[in-house]
Amino acid sequence: NAGVTQTPKFRVLKTGQSMTLLCAQDMNHEYMYWYRQDPGMGLRLIHYSVGEGTTAKGEVPDGYNVSRLKKQNFLLGLESAAPSQTSVYFCASRTSGDEQYFGPGTRLTVT
Amino acid sequence: GENVEQHPSTLSVQEGDSAVIKCTYSDSASNYFPWYKQELGKGPQLIIDIRSNVGEKKDQRIAVTLNKTAKHFSLHITETQPEDSAVYFCAAKSYWNSGGYQKVTFGTGTKLQVIP
Repeated sequence: NAGVTQTPKFRVLKTGQSMTLLCAQDMNHEYMYWYRQDPGMGLRLIHYSVGEGTTAKGEVPDGYNVSRLKKQNFLLGLESAAPSQTSVYFCASRTSGDEQYFGPGTRLTVT
Repeated sequence: GENVEQHPSTLSVQEGDSAVIKCTYSDSASNYFPWYKQELGKGPQLIIDIRSNVGEKKDQRIAVTLNKTAKHFSLHITETQPEDSAVYFCAAKSYWNSGGYQKVTFGTGTKLQVIP
C-alpha cells in the first residue's frame, strides 16, 4: 500500500493563478481531510469529506474548493491564488476509527 | 470551539534524558487525545493516543497522561535518542458543528532536539 499520496510536492504560483492539489489514498478510507500548516499555527482544517460525493467546510475554507468524485481521491482547488495561501498543505484520511493517516505534504508558494 | 495550547515550542535535551511536552484544552467534551510526530519533510504520524476514560497510557519509551479535571495532557519520552528529534503535535477531538461532526484540533507543535 502506498498509503496517502499527494501531488505535486512543490509548486510556485503567481497571484491570481489557479491550481489543483491531488490527494489519493489506497486504504479504502471513508473520511478525507485537507489541512494547511503555517509556522506557529499547527494544522488547520480547510475542508473535509465523510464519503464519496460529499464535502464540507472546515475552519479556514475561504479561497479553496474541493471535490470528492471518487472515494480514493480528494482534490483541493485554488481558483485565484493569493500570497496568504502560501503554506504547506497536508491531506489525511481515516476509517471509522480515530487515527488519521497523513500524506507527505505539498509546499505551495504564491508570489 | 476547542482551543489547544502546547508548550514548550522548542525543547533541547541531552541524549538519554527525558522530554516532557504539555498541552491544555478548553472543551470539556473532548474525548480523544492523539500525539503526532512530524519528521522533516514528512507528514505527521500518530505515535500514541489516549481516550478520556483513561488516565495514562504507555508504549515502550513513550507515555501520555491525561488530567480531565485540569483539562491538560502530557507526552513523556524517556531515554531520548537522536531519532526522536522531530516536531511533536498534540491534538484534541471534540464536536465541531451542529451536524455532530467531530473534528481534531491541533496544538502549535514542539520542536524537540536530542543532542548526542
